[in-house]
Amino acid sequence: AQSVTQPDIHITVSEGASLELRCNYSYGATPYLFWYVQSPGQGLQLLLKYFSGDTLVQGIKGFEAEFKRSQSSFNLRKPSVHWSDAAEYFCAVVPTTSGTYKYIFGTGTRLKVLA
Amino acid sequence: DAGVIQSPRHEVTEMGQEVTLRCKPISGHDYLFWYRQTMMRGLELLIYFNNNVPIDDSGMPEDRFSAKMPNASFSTLKIQPSEPRDSAVYFCASSFGLQSYTEAFFGQGTRLTVV
Repeated sequence: AQSVTQPDIHITVSEGASLELRCNYSYGATPYLFWYVQSPGQGLQLLLKYFSGDTLVQGIKGFEAEFKRSQSSFNLRKPSVHWSDAAEYFCAVVPTTSGTYKYIFGTGTRLKVLA
Repeated sequence: DAGVIQSPRHEVTEMGQEVTLRCKPISGHDYLFWYRQTMMRGLELLIYFNNNVPIDDSGMPEDRFSAKMPNASFSTLKIQPSEPRDSAVYFCASSFGLQSYTEAFFGQGTRLTVV
């Protein structure tokens, strides 16, 4: 079965430091890949998405992610974190060949930013 | 567009009562998803519709849960009878199909508490 793994449940970084959130998926083919962010009490907002083409994807709020087929990974990065980035981040995949259209989410990584 | 609209935002009910959650998707979207979010299980897909037709309800936990989409602009998720373990945040999301290379848009969620 398809699955998404976000190995880090919590991450704490200082404001201005760089950030990398890890995401690995289990799927035979290349799925569609997404990163969403959730602030407390809010819904999920899309940060970026990958369907095909350039494996380095730019998103909103200065985030980027790189798809690495050999590692089945889609890690999220930001060069300099702002206090407002504190939130929970979810990686999601949509299998492309199963005939269904399901967003499968990882368990999330909660980011804390120190002033 | 106002985005995906869910109501109510908060619901507190007693065990055994019927609960109905409502969702208005983004106009023109032909897919609608219902998710449940809990600390223990993360984001779980309950059911999704395509053109108002339920496509996959394998995530619906048991017969107490039912979902309908009577038209393209409205969907309900009903729990009858409700139990304390149903307490969670329920999200509705909508999207165009994958061929459009767009993402799912989420509502703000309904926080359900069953006492």
